[in-house]
Amino acid sequence: AQKVTQAQTEISVVEKEDVTLDCVYETRDTTYYLFWYKQPPSGELVFLIRRNSFDEQNEISGRYSWNFQKSTSSFNFTITASQVVDSAVYFCALSNNAGNMLTFGGGTRLMVKP
Amino acid sequence: ETGVTQTPRHLVMGMTNKKSLKCEQHLGHNAMYWYKQSAKKPLELMFVYSLEERVENNSVPSRFSPECPNSSHLFLHLHTLQPEDSALYLCASSQDPLAGGQSSYNEQFFGPGTRLTVL
Repeated sequence: AQKVTQAQTEISVVEKEDVTLDCVYETRDTTYYLFWYKQPPSGELVFLIRRNSFDEQNEISGRYSWNFQKSTSSFNFTITASQVVDSAVYFCALSNNAGNMLTFGGGTRLMVKP
Repeated sequence: ETGVTQTPRHLVMGMTNKKSLKCEQHLGHNAMYWYKQSAKKPLELMFVYSLEERVENNSVPSRFSPECPNSSHLFLHLHTLQPEDSALYLCASSQDPLAGGQSSYNEQFFGPGTRLTVL
């Protein structure tokens, strides 16, 4: 069975601080995909990134960066110089090798204060 | 309209009512999904449709009945619900790699959800 754990249920930072959201996963599949989604107060999940299990290169997109480490089954997400608009719930998710079933973590609520 | 839309956005119903949630995707995708998001549990996958055929029913009670008349529309029919069914119901769509014969997986796009309250 697949499992995603986001140990941090809530994080509070002050604007301009860097913050890292942790994600640890479990799967028996050799091919799988990892995702991060953002859920602002409006409720809609917004896709941020997809990473497949064969690509361990870290990725940076503006203030966002992701660190995928297969050896520790982790896919952590860092926001640099956080802003109030980053306040949201962030979900890490894992798909099966067929690519059509997502297992979500419990989410991390990030609060960025001015 | 663009993306994935859901109606209604909010719904309050009694336990004896029958109602339906509607989802429409304008992305040309061939797979659609229903998820339940309640306060005390992670996002739970309820149903998956690929090419209008149900491919997954994740042990959901029969008081939830999905319908997928075509690749753009997905319904969730509700009847005799319980207060614990109160939650945010999210619809999503994607291009199913297996159905489309593609080797790469495409991410799921979500609608804004329907906030359901069962009294």
